[in-house]
Amino acid sequence: SQTIHQWPATLVQPVGSPLSLECTVEGTSNPNLYWYRQAAGRGLQLLFYSVGIGQISSEVPQNLSASRPQDRQFILSSKKLLLSDSGFYLCASSAGARLEQFFGPGTRLTVL
Amino acid sequence: AQTVTQSQPEMSVQEAETVTLSCTYDTSENNYYLFWYKQPPSRQMILVIRQEAYKQQNATENRFSVNFQKAAKSFSLKISDSQLGDTAMYFCAFDNNNDMRFGAGTRLTVKP
Repeated sequence: SQTIHQWPATLVQPVGSPLSLECTVEGTSNPNLYWYRQAAGRGLQLLFYSVGIGQISSEVPQNLSASRPQDRQFILSSKKLLLSDSGFYLCASSAGARLEQFFGPGTRLTVL
Repeated sequence: AQTVTQSQPEMSVQEAETVTLSCTYDTSENNYYLFWYKQPPSRQMILVIRQEAYKQQNATENRFSVNFQKAAKSFSLKISDSQLGDTAMYFCAFDNNNDMRFGAGTRLTVKP
């Protein structure tokens, strides 16, 4: 099975500051990669997915961007954080569409 | 757009009893996959069970089974012989070629 690493585990950032969350995957090659955001007490919202290096699909317009510089590395970024960016961010990986997604431990982001 | 609805925000069950979590979805697609994921207090998302829409037979994984009614667009999860470790948030999810949609979740508490 796949192992997903995410860091940092928690992050507190001021409004207007930049953001970089990193996700790396072990145990597979050429995975599909996903970034989700989970608001408190809510389900997961798909933010971005990638089917290959340099290929990013955005699901919702927002203050965030994603990049995939290497096969098993997925980065979530922002140039200027907003209060509404606070939440729990999860990275996931799968061998392909419609298959089981393996999730990382998540990053709790608080924007003050 | 696909939507997933979980109408039970919270449920509880006595240990060793059976509980059913409800999920309905809306789609115009014919070929898709449905999932139930579990998120315990650790917040690590774990796949519970997966159902392929083209299969009429309901999926089963040990104490977990689904009742998939394609025409009614219903996908309920039955947990038999509930255990304390089943206490978690349960999310129903729909995937049509990387377009993964999650419900808002049901918080299940198993009481001793």
